Amino acid sequence: DAGVIQSPRHEVTEMGQEVTLRCKPISGHNSLFWYRQTMMRGLELLIYFNNNVPIDDSGMPEDRFSAKMPNASFSTLKIQPSEPRDSAVYFCASSSGTDAMELFFGEGSRLTVL
Amino acid sequence: KQEVTQIPAALSVPEGENLVLNCSFTDSAIYNLQWFRQDPGKGLTSLLLIQSSQREQTSGRLNASLDKSSGRSTLYIAASQPGDSATYLCAVKGKGNKLVFGAGTILRVKS
Repeated sequence: DAGVIQSPRHEVTEMGQEVTLRCKPISGHNSLFWYRQTMMRGLELLIYFNNNVPIDDSGMPEDRFSAKMPNASFSTLKIQPSEPRDSAVYFCASSSGTDAMELFFGEGSRLTVL
Repeated sequence: KQEVTQIPAALSVPEGENLVLNCSFTDSAIYNLQWFRQDPGKGLTSLLLIQSSQREQTSGRLNASLDKSSGRSTLYIAASQPGDSATYLCAVKGKGNKLVFGAGTILRVKS
C-alpha cells in the first residue's frame, strides 16, 4: 500500500489567497483526520471524518477553514482567505475506524502564507 | 480535557546507551496509546501501539509500557544508535476517536 498521500508537499502563497490541501487515505480505512503542527502549539486535531461524514470539527480554528470528504478515497482542507498565522504543516491521517485502531500519517503539506 | 506531557523535552546521549522516554496523561479513560517517531521535515511514523488492556509492546530495540491507572507510559530504547535521533511523540486515543499528542522528546544520539 502507498500509505496516506498528501499534496502539495509545499505551498507558498500570499495572504488572502485560497489554499486547498488534498489527502488520499489508505485504501480500506474509513476514518480520516486532519492535524496541524506548529512549533508553538504542537499537533492539533482540526477535524475528523468517519465513513466520509464529519464527526468532530471542534478543532477547526475559524470559518476560514473548511474540510470535505466527497468519497472514501479523497479529502480536502481549504483555507479561504489565508493568513500568515495559518503557516504550519498540515497532516492527514487515516485509520481503519474502530477506536482502538492504529493511526497512519501522511508526509504533510508545509504551508507558508506571506 | 485530556492533556499529555512528555519528559524530557530533549535528550542527548552517546551511542550505545539505553534510554527511557516518559509520557503521562491526565485522563485514564483511553482506548490506546501510540508512540510515533518524526524525522525533521517528515511525517509521523508509528512505532508501537499499546491497547488499553495491554501492559507493554515490543518491537526490536523498542519497548513501550503502559500503566493506565497511573496515567503513564515509557518508551525504552536499547543500545541507542545515531539513526535513532528524531523527535518521539506520545499520543493517547480517548473518547470520540481523538488522538491527543504530547509535545514530544527531541532525541540526539551522538556517535
